[in-house]
Amino acid sequence: NAGVMQNPRHLVRRRGQEARLRCSPMKGHSHVYWYRQLPEEGLKFMVYLQKENIIDESGMPKERFSAEFPKEGPSILRIQQVVRGDSAAYFCASSMRGFQRAFSTDTQYFGPGTRLTVL
Amino acid sequence: SQQGEEDPQALSIQEGENATMNCSYKTSINNLQWYRQNSGRGLVHLILIRSNEREKHSGRLRVTLDTSKKSSSLLITASRAADTASYFCATDAFSNQGGKLIFGQGTELSVKP
Repeated sequence: NAGVMQNPRHLVRRRGQEARLRCSPMKGHSHVYWYRQLPEEGLKFMVYLQKENIIDESGMPKERFSAEFPKEGPSILRIQQVVRGDSAAYFCASSMRGFQRAFSTDTQYFGPGTRLTVL
Repeated sequence: SQQGEEDPQALSIQEGENATMNCSYKTSINNLQWYRQNSGRGLVHLILIRSNEREKHSGRLRVTLDTSKKSSSLLITASRAADTASYFCATDAFSNQGGKLIFGQGTELSVKP
């Protein structure tokens, strides 16, 4: 069972370009979360999605950032017109969740991250 | 401010010693999870403890949860050099719409051989 996959692992963009980060959740997981980690800091929640729905985007900057999790394909975090302050590691996590709340369903499993550098 | 606060921020010990890291949080929670992150890498899930549990064990790891004090501790026994990493606690707040985790700043553990 493959873990959470993210690509690319490293992404370099110039100011003003677009960054597109992809996340494929673990098999059987329909809940995806995006987090951002600035250097020397902990992770900060950005957005929580289920298939075709944004459940909680309270951590997303209001401008330039968007996320989707289509019915088919990976979840995408999109950053338009990147600025130097967007340089960070972006992590995706997935979980099973659901009504039964069995032992393992709440655990979030993280991908290896995408390290975005804005020049 | 962050829900989780780890203490200490940095910890340096000798191989074979025990390492204890603490985490405090502010609101009621569904569960609390501990993660490890090696430098420049992703997060590895270590253990999840639910709000109705007081203690959990997994190999050399022992986690306690005191909901009255809103605190948790992670104990690593008989530490090894390979345990060198940053350790984060993350809470799943009761009031969440969903399962977003609130992370602390982390404890940087260094285990010297």
